[in-house]
Amino acid sequence: DQQVKQNSPSLSVQEGRISILNCDYTNSMFDYFLWYKKYPAEGPTFLISISSIKDKNEDGRFTVFLNKSAKHLSLHIVPSQPGDSAVYFCAASARGIQKLVFGQGTRLTINP
Amino acid sequence: EAQVTQNPRYLITVTGKKLTVTCSQNMNHEYMSWYRQDPGLGLRQIYYSMNVEVTDKGDVPEGYKVSRKEKRNFPLILESPSPNQTSLYFCASSFRDQKREQYFGPGTRLTVT
Repeated sequence: DQQVKQNSPSLSVQEGRISILNCDYTNSMFDYFLWYKKYPAEGPTFLISISSIKDKNEDGRFTVFLNKSAKHLSLHIVPSQPGDSAVYFCAASARGIQKLVFGQGTRLTINP
Repeated sequence: EAQVTQNPRYLITVTGKKLTVTCSQNMNHEYMSWYRQDPGLGLRQIYYSMNVEVTDKGDVPEGYKVSRKEKRNFPLILESPSPNQTSLYFCASSFRDQKREQYFGPGTRLTVT
């Protein structure tokens, strides 16, 4: 049972344009959401997070939006840069539960 | 440099031959965890540890053991590896109250034939 789903295995975007990565979840107990970025031959690195009490969190070029009613979150990257090419994992956690639940990942390719 | 290290980075072994993947962190983190990454499944948690001598099962613990005798180390033990344990393994750590923003090691690619 995949509680966190990233339905797009890959996404290709032109440099300078906006990249939008999507994530859906099924567990209404999730109260904290994160995005991790992974380059080849490296471990994932934390990128940005959002608590369920917010609907938006911004950090430089990265913005995460949370729509609790739709159980959907998205990561916007503006403007996209070649260094943003990586696999992006969405993750979620529930209060009092000692683990993260990850999505399958989306491979983002930024074309020059 | 703050980091999580894993050894070995690559390992090819045969079914049934016991192996240990080491994980060490130098950030004084209480929380440590092991994940496996498989195509189409993302990262799934195997075991986690809230502190020394405190470990618990994650989502896919079958066939694995862990121990936490020291704060900095959290080895993953495969007593009798099988081909379905062929995967990419990641160790991660964080402070207890920030366990959701975890620091990951570089990964260990294991192949069991």
